[in-house]
Parts: sequence; structure tokens; C-alpha cells
Amino acid sequence: DARVTQTPRDKVTEMGQEVTMRCQPILGHNTVFWYRQTMMQGLELLAYFRNRAPLDDSGMPKDRFSAEMPDATLATLKIQPSEPRDSAVYFCASGWGLFYGYTFGSGTRLTVV
Amino acid sequence: AQSVTQPDIHITVSEGASLELRCNYSYGATPYLFWYVQSPGQGLQLLLKYFSGDTLVQGIKGFEAEFKRSQSSFNLRKPSVHWSDAAEYFCAVAQGGSEKLVFGKGTKLTVNP
Repeated sequence: DARVTQTPRDKVTEMGQEVTMRCQPILGHNTVFWYRQTMMQGLELLAYFRNRAPLDDSGMPKDRFSAEMPDATLATLKIQPSEPRDSAVYFCASGWGLFYGYTFGSGTRLTVV
Repeated sequence: AQSVTQPDIHITVSEGASLELRCNYSYGATPYLFWYVQSPGQGLQLLLKYFSGDTLVQGIKGFEAEFKRSQSSFNLRKPSVHWSDAAEYFCAVAQGGSEKLVFGKGTKLTVNP
């Protein structure tokens, strides 16, 4: 089965450090999402792209977060500087559109100490 | 703003028993509705979705859900639960005209032998 690949699987970093999370969407999928999951807030949409163009990043703290798609096979989510409150599991998902459903990766568990 | 409510944080059932997980949404128009399942340490997997038409939808793994407009509900059911169904279940709704999914906080299912 095709899958969305996220790296790293786990990341522990110190407050103030830069963190980059990567996502390889399923080949051919034209829509990519970044979600964050915490116990308190649940699943929150951070940003999403269609055909590599950002469509909505209103859920993302702009001062420290950035999301890009350098090419169709790679999406990145960067946090600089990281803070303890950024500790969460970050999921990437890709698909062809809402009707077809989206495939989620296994997530990156980020711990900022 | 629309929202999704899953009233039950945790449900425990015996293997072989029937299951119903509740989901209520608040949205003016007919929403697009989804159920996802998340196993520990994994991403979310789409179980089923409702866009229009027959209000009883069938999904994977023997799950079904019924859309009830009058109750603003989209409850997930399974006639006989298997131990492998133990996981966390998320109801989600798509905003009209948008690809963005708004998730409920999830219901954790425990299956007793």
C-alpha cells in the first residue's frame, strides 16, 4: 500500500532550537495537510497546500512556524525557535481531494525541553 | 464556527458486543462527515464518509454510520466488536467549500476479552 512518509519519527530538542519535519506525500496526490495533535487541543489544522501552493496557513503561528513544498515529493514544516508548548505529534496527510479521503502519515512526535 | 462534539471520551465494551460511538456537529448546511480511526503510534485511517444520498453509509472493517440531520448527528456503529478494534476514533466535518477537516476530540475504545 502507498503511504505518507514522515521523518523523523521522534525528535527531542532544546527550547530555542530549529526543528524541521519532513513529509513525503503519496506520489500523485495534489493536496497536502499539516496537522498537530495534543492532548488538550486535539487535532488542529496548521496548513495545507494544493499543487504545492499554500492555500491556508491560518492555523499556524506565523512568527515561528513555516511550511513549504519545495517540490511535489516533499513538504516541510519548520519551527524556529522551538518552545516547550510546541511539543505535540505533527501529522502530514495527502490526497486528491475531500471526496477521495486523505491518507495520514504516522506522525512526528516532537518534544521540546 | 462549526464544531464537532464526541461526548464520550472513553468507552469500554466486551468483545462481540455491539458498539455505537456518538458524534454531533454544529453547522448550518449539510456538512461532509467522516470517521477516522487511530491505532496507538499510528496516523489516522479513514473508516467511512458521508457526502450526500443514503444516510446510512458503510465503511471498512465492518463499520457503518448514520447521518441524522434532525439530530445533527453522525454516529458510528459496529454490530460485533473485535479486540483489534481497540483504538481511538475521531469524527470530522469538512467546512463548506473547503478541504479543511475539523476533528472532534476523539473517543478511546477499549475492548475487553
